[in-house]
Amino acid sequence: GAVVSQHPSRVICKSGTSVKIECRSLDFQATTMFWYRQFPKQSLMLMATSNEGSKATYEQGVEKDKFLINHASLTLSTLTVTSAHPEDSSFYICSVRGDRTSGSSYEQYFGPGTRLTVT
Amino acid sequence: AQSVTQLDSQVPVFEEAPVELRCNYSSSVSVYLFWYVQYPNQGLQLLLKYLSGSTLVKGINGFEAEFNKSQTSFHLRKPSVHISDTAEYFCAVTPGGATNKLIFGTGTLLAVQP
Repeated sequence: GAVVSQHPSRVICKSGTSVKIECRSLDFQATTMFWYRQFPKQSLMLMATSNEGSKATYEQGVEKDKFLINHASLTLSTLTVTSAHPEDSSFYICSVRGDRTSGSSYEQYFGPGTRLTVT
Repeated sequence: AQSVTQLDSQVPVFEEAPVELRCNYSSSVSVYLFWYVQYPNQGLQLLLKYLSGSTLVKGINGFEAEFNKSQTSFHLRKPSVHISDTAEYFCAVTPGGATNKLIFGTGTLLAVQP
């Protein structure tokens, strides 16, 4: 499967500032990436689907102006949390979708996650 | 709409004992099914998947799962667990198609005790 990295692995920021999280597909050209958030002891909730070269598709209830997603290349997608507040503190995980030519288009390969703490 | 139910939030088990983690789903269309494992402060790792074919699916680390369409279940099993299997396990479904969105269950913490 694909190797996916995220940077930073953890970040602490002050309320009102913006934070950018990078998701990189290291050995795979990913036309589609997904962003999830996970609260402690809860499941993953899909935030948005990121398609290379086009606007992200956000899930219902996710503020697109607050969570800016950019998928500028086939190996990089970024999530920017703008004007962060303590309630945005969470574990953010990205994933890349498998490649149809390899027959694994229904799989997702996950990054290690980014722990965001807003103080 | 699809949904996934993992009834057990936590399953304690002794080392070398067998374990079954339950997963039920609801869907009006055919789905693909997955089990992922998450170790503390890490992302998710795919354990196994069911797309089609044999209903008994074998995965990594000695895990297997059986797809039961009539019972809409995809329970995960391992005949003998190790301390290192302690982790959160998530069942997920996707209806396939263009979006391939994964819908996750709430997770089951497998706590292996010596």
